[in-house]
Amino acid sequence: GQSLEQPSEVTAVEGAIVQINCTYQTSGFYGLSWYQQHDGGAPTFLSYNALDGLEETGRFSSFLSRSDSYGYLLLQELQMKDSASYFCALSSVSSASKIIFGSGTRLSIRP
Amino acid sequence: DAGVIQSPRHEVTEMGQEVTLRCKPISGHDYLFWYRQTMMRGLELLIYFNNNVPIDDSGMPEDRFSAKMPNASFSTLKIQPSEPRDSAVYFCASTPRPRSGNTIYFGEGSWLTVV
Repeated sequence: GQSLEQPSEVTAVEGAIVQINCTYQTSGFYGLSWYQQHDGGAPTFLSYNALDGLEETGRFSSFLSRSDSYGYLLLQELQMKDSASYFCALSSVSSASKIIFGSGTRLSIRP
Repeated sequence: DAGVIQSPRHEVTEMGQEVTLRCKPISGHDYLFWYRQTMMRGLELLIYFNNNVPIDDSGMPEDRFSAKMPNASFSTLKIQPSEPRDSAVYFCASTPRPRSGNTIYFGEGSWLTVV
């Protein structure tokens, strides 16, 4: 099967940079996605990596290394509104479009 | 576009009662997913459909759960009989093409409490 592992909690300071890691186990996948979820809300798409390397979208960047089965989400210039849970997700080749999510990382930001 | 629409937003029901959750995906999206979210188990994929056909229901916890998609614009998730451990947020999501990284669009969720 496939699985994704994330730290359960991360704390950072407003204005700083934080990295949220994701390690995965799968026999093959199309790419790694990241989603943000605020308390009481629905997950919303942030970023996607089909290939190894860094993808940048404004203050958010995401990185993938297939050889290391590892990816991360990088958030820069942290704002209080970035306090949320962040999930990595993948679509497995062997499971025909089945999309599974990691356990999520709760990011808390201090002033 | 109105996005993925779910109903009801909140439901409180007694153990043993039947619960039906409804979902209208975004028009033109061929894939529909039902997820359940709890603190303990995170976001679990229950079942997903492609062009109204169930593709993988291996995440459905037990026979008490069933899902249907009678047409491209409507899906239901039914729990009968409901139990307190079914209390969770149930999300419906849709996407046109998940394999190439297309965004999955989630509804606002149905918050279910079984007492």
